[in-house]
Amino acid sequence: QSVLTQPPSVSGAPGQRVTISCTGSSSNIGAGYDVHWYQQLPGTAPKLLVYGNNNRPSGVPDRFSGSKSGPSASLAITGLQAEDEADYYCQSYDSSLSGYALFGGGTKLTVL
Amino acid sequence: QLQLQESGPGLVKPSETLSLTCTVSGDSISSSPYYWGWIRQPPGKELEWIGIVSYSGSTYYNPSLKSRVTISVDTSKNQFSLRLASVTAADTAVYYCARRHRRGSSPFDYWGQGTLVTVSS
Repeated sequence: QSVLTQPPSVSGAPGQRVTISCTGSSSNIGAGYDVHWYQQLPGTAPKLLVYGNNNRPSGVPDRFSGSKSGPSASLAITGLQAEDEADYYCQSYDSSLSGYALFGGGTKLTVL
Repeated sequence: QLQLQESGPGLVKPSETLSLTCTVSGDSISSSPYYWGWIRQPPGKELEWIGIVSYSGSTYYNPSLKSRVTISVDTSKNQFSLRLASVTAADTAVYYCARRHRRGSSPFDYWGQGTLVTVSS
């Protein structure tokens, strides 16, 4: 059971908007640690998608956006495309665990 | 362009030690304000942080693996390494090396392609 909780799966039709939640606690996200999001296409390494809660690395489309409130964070994907079908992971840090990195359990996005 | 490449045996016997190396190109481990780390992913499962090392050799490990893990750095070869002792089938996973900035709660911004290590006799 991951310390950061994500829904196992979400789905949406092309063009729609989907959100993926990441719920932590007062010792990690709620303590002020930044949340980062990664996209993992099948058979590939994770790729940084959103960092520092709501920033996109160069080259990431603005269809992807992040937000954070209290002990939770969300990743929103608008204008859903078939190529967005992948696993998505949130990541943060935890003060009760010597500040080590935490990953969420991952969410499988299916584009219908 | 920074690149990280994992290398090492793809098959390790139970109770033995898993050893992997990550070769960094496009940047110098010793001149950069970064941590260099290892993350693993069992087949079909989530990512698990193993630990990180600085260019000076300071290390931080996942408490659940700390008793079995050693991460070291070789600045002369621009490489860092992972050793995981007393492996079992539960250690079968794709092992990734990655980089994160030393500042605050930074993300892992560059990843290697990953290498599958199977623990089996």
